[in-house]
Amino acid sequence: AQKITQTQPGMFVQEKEAVTLDCTYDTSDQSYGLFWYKQPSSGEMIFLIYQGSYDEQNATEGRYSLNFQKARKSANLVISASQLGDSAMYFCAMRGFFYGNNRLAFGKGNQVVVIP
Amino acid sequence: NAGVMQNPRHLVRRRGQEARLRCSPMKGHSHVYWYRQLPEEGLKFMVYLQKENIIDESGMPKERFSAEFPKEGPSILRIQQVVRGDSAAYFCASSPELAEETQYFGPGTRLLVL
Repeated sequence: AQKITQTQPGMFVQEKEAVTLDCTYDTSDQSYGLFWYKQPSSGEMIFLIYQGSYDEQNATEGRYSLNFQKARKSANLVISASQLGDSAMYFCAMRGFFYGNNRLAFGKGNQVVVIP
Repeated sequence: NAGVMQNPRHLVRRRGQEARLRCSPMKGHSHVYWYRQLPEEGLKFMVYLQKENIIDESGMPKERFSAEFPKEGPSILRIQQVVRGDSAAYFCASSPELAEETQYFGPGTRLLVL
């Protein structure tokens, strides 16, 4: 089974500053994937970034980067140069890569509010 | 390329009625997943389907809930005899045949049971 922990309280971030969202995970799977999704107030779930457990380099997608520390079982999301549109809930998720498993396990989310 | 489509976006039902939620995956995607999000919570996996097959229903409640993904048409999540505790956002996601790492989500259906 996989477990995702996101325990940060809601965060206020100044526009144009960087913000780091914490995510720790627990799994016995040898191979797995880590994901971050954004959920704005409109409610949709938007895929941001993916990191495979076998990837040696940290994933980056535009202003998003994933600080992956496998030994610590952490997969923190870094958003650089925050914009007002980044205000949202952010969910960390993971999936073990074994036969028949396509379930994503989600954390409870981190709330981010970007202020001008 | 249209994304994952879900309808209705909002659904109101009285206790005891049936709720039918529809999901059309992205073009070229043959894997469909349903998740439920309760207020202030992350998403919880319910069921994983491929065309005409239920692959994993380990997250589905044992009673009143069913899902299908027919050969033609959208995937349907059906909730019979709804209760207030079924009020939640229900998300559908899809992934392609070969590159299955990422699941892309639809906008969700908000179900309110009165």
